[in-house]
Amino acid sequence: GQQVMQIPQYQHVQEGEDFTTYCNSSTTLSNIQWYKQRPGGHPVFLIQLVKSGEVKKQKRLTFQFGEAKKNSSLHITATQTTDVGTYFCAKARDNQGGKLIFGQGTELSVKP
Amino acid sequence: NAGVTQTPKFRILKIGQSMTLQCAQDMNHNYMYWYRQDPGMGLKLIYYSVGAGITDKGEVPNGYNVSRSTTEDFPLRLELAAPSQTSVYFCASRPERGEQYFGPGTRLTVT
Repeated sequence: GQQVMQIPQYQHVQEGEDFTTYCNSSTTLSNIQWYKQRPGGHPVFLIQLVKSGEVKKQKRLTFQFGEAKKNSSLHITATQTTDVGTYFCAKARDNQGGKLIFGQGTELSVKP
Repeated sequence: NAGVTQTPKFRILKIGQSMTLQCAQDMNHNYMYWYRQDPGMGLKLIYYSVGAGITDKGEVPNGYNVSRSTTEDFPLRLELAAPSQTSVYFCASRPERGEQYFGPGTRLTVT
């Protein structure tokens, strides 16, 4: 159906360790967006991926879009305490007013 | 620009009461959205609007109503509040293409 599945639900890491969250869809995605939500905050846009096999980097964050455009991942290298929060992937339905279908998110905690 | 603003920040309602959650944006965005977020869950779309005078249902519209009389404002109305509507409500807006900008949220408790 329309769901976007995201794993894991929770991840606890030691500061300096790497972190990866995965987003999977049963249908081909036209694009995928990633958002970060700090505890008690609101979602903030990180990036959008559109092309098959696309890889984009933002400092320690690496975003990938699968070749078949059915999955995506966010990898954080050498986590810091400022990375704490919940990371959501979302698919945008451009032909339906651009509405977003969100995954359930991965909550990242970082132990200093 | 103030971006997307929401009022109130917090509200406690009794079962059966009604209220309106306010949302406004000053970015001249045509697209606006209402989401709810339950603890440990992702965001679920309640209603959205592609422009003034046009609204449409999202994934979880039951128990809610919206209106869009101006580009700037997109209020969400709760009629006959129920405990299942206890949640955090986020409003968002978007330009023609690109990402959504979220407001700070309204934390609603129905008891």
